[in-house]
Amino acid sequence: DAEITQSPRHKITETGRQVTLACHQTWNHNNMFWYRQDLGHGLRLIHYSYGVQDTNKGEVSDGYSVSRSNTEDLPLTLESAASSQTSVYFCASSATGWEQYFGPGTRLTVT
Amino acid sequence: EDKVVQSPLSLVVHEGDTVTLNCSYEVTNFRSLLWYKQEKKAPTFLFMLTSSGIEKKSGRLSSILDKKELFSILNITATQTGDSAIYLCAVGLVAGSYQLTFGKGTKLSVIP
Repeated sequence: DAEITQSPRHKITETGRQVTLACHQTWNHNNMFWYRQDLGHGLRLIHYSYGVQDTNKGEVSDGYSVSRSNTEDLPLTLESAASSQTSVYFCASSATGWEQYFGPGTRLTVT
Repeated sequence: EDKVVQSPLSLVVHEGDTVTLNCSYEVTNFRSLLWYKQEKKAPTFLFMLTSSGIEKKSGRLSSILDKKELFSILNITATQTGDSAIYLCAVGLVAGSYQLTFGKGTKLSVIP
């Protein structure tokens, strides 16, 4: 069955370290999205991509980057992790419509 | 600034009750409104609404959109403990962009 996976599911890192969160989908969807979810803020868009080599900034992109080298993967990199980036991160994908399918999430703690 | 506001933020009901969750929006270039259910994991899609007055229904859940008054409601009848979750409302704004702006969610707790 087609699916969307994220790894790792849990990560603890130190302030200043570079961290990469993986997202892989097997639906062959062109559109992929990264969100963070925090208490009191709901889901906020970090970056998104409409296809290979395409990336765009979302509402809260500072301190994050993405790259899209193939259809299946959109890794999210925290260049220099900060405590404010402690959050739950969700990856999502969609075909040609508004309905997005979400991965299981990665809980990141920056100490 | 585009806003999606959900109310109430949390709600506790007894099994068998009927609940109504609200989502209002102040946005430009509205295209669609979506409802998601989030238990202790990923949000899962419930409904997408694009036209006013047309009810979407799935089992005990139903939803309707009012584009004149800029809101949507999600109804759950005969609630069960399995309905306990955070319900998220999201609005799609720009045609072809497929970006969603989410509200903060309503946490529903159904007690036996």
